Amino acid sequence: EDQVTQSPEALRLQEGESSSLNCSYTVSGLRGLFWYRQDPGKGPEFLFTLYSAGEEKEKERLKATLTKKESFLHITAPKPEDSATYLCAVLGSGSARQLTFGSGTQLTVLP
Amino acid sequence: KAGVTQTPRYLIKTRGQQVTLSCSPISGHRSVSWYQQTPGQGLQFLFEYFSETQRNKGNFPGRFSGRQFSNSRSEMNVSTLELGDSALYLCASSFSGRSSGELFFGEGSRLTVL
Repeated sequence: EDQVTQSPEALRLQEGESSSLNCSYTVSGLRGLFWYRQDPGKGPEFLFTLYSAGEEKEKERLKATLTKKESFLHITAPKPEDSATYLCAVLGSGSARQLTFGSGTQLTVLP
Repeated sequence: KAGVTQTPRYLIKTRGQQVTLSCSPISGHRSVSWYQQTPGQGLQFLFEYFSETQRNKGNFPGRFSGRQFSNSRSEMNVSTLELGDSALYLCASSFSGRSSGELFFGEGSRLTVL
């Protein structure tokens, strides 16, 4: 069974204070690791896909990296508008072939 | 380009009733997935449809069912509602012919069961 664990559950940062969110996973044959952002009252918004260890993707102040056991979402000089819940998910090649989400990290960036 | 549209956005039901939720995917997207989101369990996969066929199903009881129409629109139904069915139900669509993790989500239907 695929599993995803995200830490920390919640993170409060001052504007400009860089940090990283962690996503640890176990999966049968990784077909992809995905990062989403979810604002209150909204559905998740797709951010990145990572396919293999060593891969990195960047978008504005966000950079996602992947190893064989975990992924990090690095946030550089965050702004208050980066406040959201960040979700990590994996898709494996096992019989389930369904997206498994972590419980998310709730990020608050204070001005 | 219009996004994924879910209706209704909010609804209140009582135990034992049934509910039908609707989802219109992004134009051209043929895959529709449904997820249940609760504070305790997070996002959990319900089922996925592609070209009117259920391609995948999560670990939910048979009270949860769905279908997809020829225009890719999808509905999900929950019968004999229980208090624990209170949740945000999210629909997501993708263009891919294979199971994909790059999904476009709607804003959800928030169901409250009293």
